[in-house]
Amino acid sequence: GAVVSQHPSRVICKSGTSVKIECRSLDFQATTMFWYRQFPKQSLMLMATSNEGSKATYEQGVEKDKFLINHASLTLSTLTVTSAHPEDSSFYICSAKLAGGGDTQYFGPGTRLTVL
Amino acid sequence: AQSVAQPEDQVNVAEGNPLTVKCTYSVSGNPYLFWYVQYPNRGLQFLLKYITGDNLVKGSYGFEAEFNKSQTSFHLKKPSALVSDSALYFCAVRDIGWAAGNKLTFGGGTRVLVKP
Repeated sequence: GAVVSQHPSRVICKSGTSVKIECRSLDFQATTMFWYRQFPKQSLMLMATSNEGSKATYEQGVEKDKFLINHASLTLSTLTVTSAHPEDSSFYICSAKLAGGGDTQYFGPGTRLTVL
Repeated sequence: AQSVAQPEDQVNVAEGNPLTVKCTYSVSGNPYLFWYVQYPNRGLQFLLKYITGDNLVKGSYGFEAEFNKSQTSFHLKKPSALVSDSALYFCAVRDIGWAAGNKLTFGGGTRVLVKP
């Protein structure tokens, strides 16, 4: 149980285009999902907390207009990187918490974004 | 504020020997502590957590961790390491105080290399 999927697993795009990454909780409902960014050989940096039906809460320094987050249902959150640039190339990982309690975050497999 | 330190960037151990990955934390209140493992180009897999109760926590794949409040540590241990344990390990903390929200703070990660 507690499986989180991400799609796509890998994406290559041209500079200036927008890319959407989906995060789904497959066998549980998640009122809260998190989006992280991980640079090579570094730790995870929280970008934003996504709550179903409300606006995401962004961490300091993260541009909300560049990284659009939508959490439209209890099983799906999306991250859209708008007008991507090479410096946005990174490994993006989502996680989800079980609705109704529990403190464990369950992580998706990650999405490798490469912006040319 | 909450923070986590993993003082070792890498730990090398021979297969069959005990494995220890160190973690110390800092929170203003009481901590929830987690260990995750990450294999190359993958998301994080949950290993174990400490919420309350017994200071020795047993988790997946034969791993365990001991919560030491006086030393503010939560070291990960495995009595007999396997080559397949080679991966990147992350310690994470969440302050259970009401103002802390749901955010996890991750340590910098420790790469474990188990040699046959």
